[in-house]
Amino acid sequence: GAVVSQHPSWVICKSGTSVKIECRSLDFQATTMFWYRQFPKQSLMLMATSNEGSKATYEQGVEKDKFLINHASLTLSTLTVTSAHPEDSSFYICSARLAGGVYEQYFGPGTRLTVT
Amino acid sequence: GDSVTQMEGPVTLSEEAFLTINCTYTATGYPSLFWYVQYPGEGLQLLLKATKADDKGSNKGFEATYRKETTSFHLEKGSVQVSDSAVYFCALSTGTSYGKLTFGQGTILTVHP
Repeated sequence: GAVVSQHPSWVICKSGTSVKIECRSLDFQATTMFWYRQFPKQSLMLMATSNEGSKATYEQGVEKDKFLINHASLTLSTLTVTSAHPEDSSFYICSARLAGGVYEQYFGPGTRLTVT
Repeated sequence: GDSVTQMEGPVTLSEEAFLTINCTYTATGYPSLFWYVQYPGEGLQLLLKATKADDKGSNKGFEATYRKETTSFHLEKGSVQVSDSAVYFCALSTGTSYGKLTFGQGTILTVHP
């Protein structure tokens, strides 16, 4: 149980285009989802916290107009990287917290984004 | 702000060796502490957790004890296996952060037969 999927698992896009990444909780409802970015050999950096039906809360230094987050249902959150540039190339990971859960987050397998 | 510091890797061990991965933290609140593991090609999985001082989390032969006096949560396993090869992340969450996790930098563990 508590499986989180991400789609796509990897994507290559051209500079200036936008790309959407989906995060789904497959067998549970998630009122809160988190989006992280992971650089090679580095830790996960929290980008934003997404609550179902409300605007996402972005961490300091994360451009909300560049990384659009939508959490339209209890099982789906999307991250759209707008006008992507090569420096946006990274590994993006989402996690979902059970409705009513306090601590435990379940992580997706990640999406590798390469911007050429 | 909150932070987590892990021992730098990578760590390379022979099968059946003893494992310790050090983790220390600073937190403004009274944190819960976690160890996550990331196997190759997979998402992070919760390995174990402890929510108050002196608690010991354990799972799959791994253990970690919440030491408030030394602000530490070191991960240990008495006898590692090749299948334990993965990246291990120490993390914390405080009541003031609404469940947000602060991660350490991760430690790559490779176990050879």
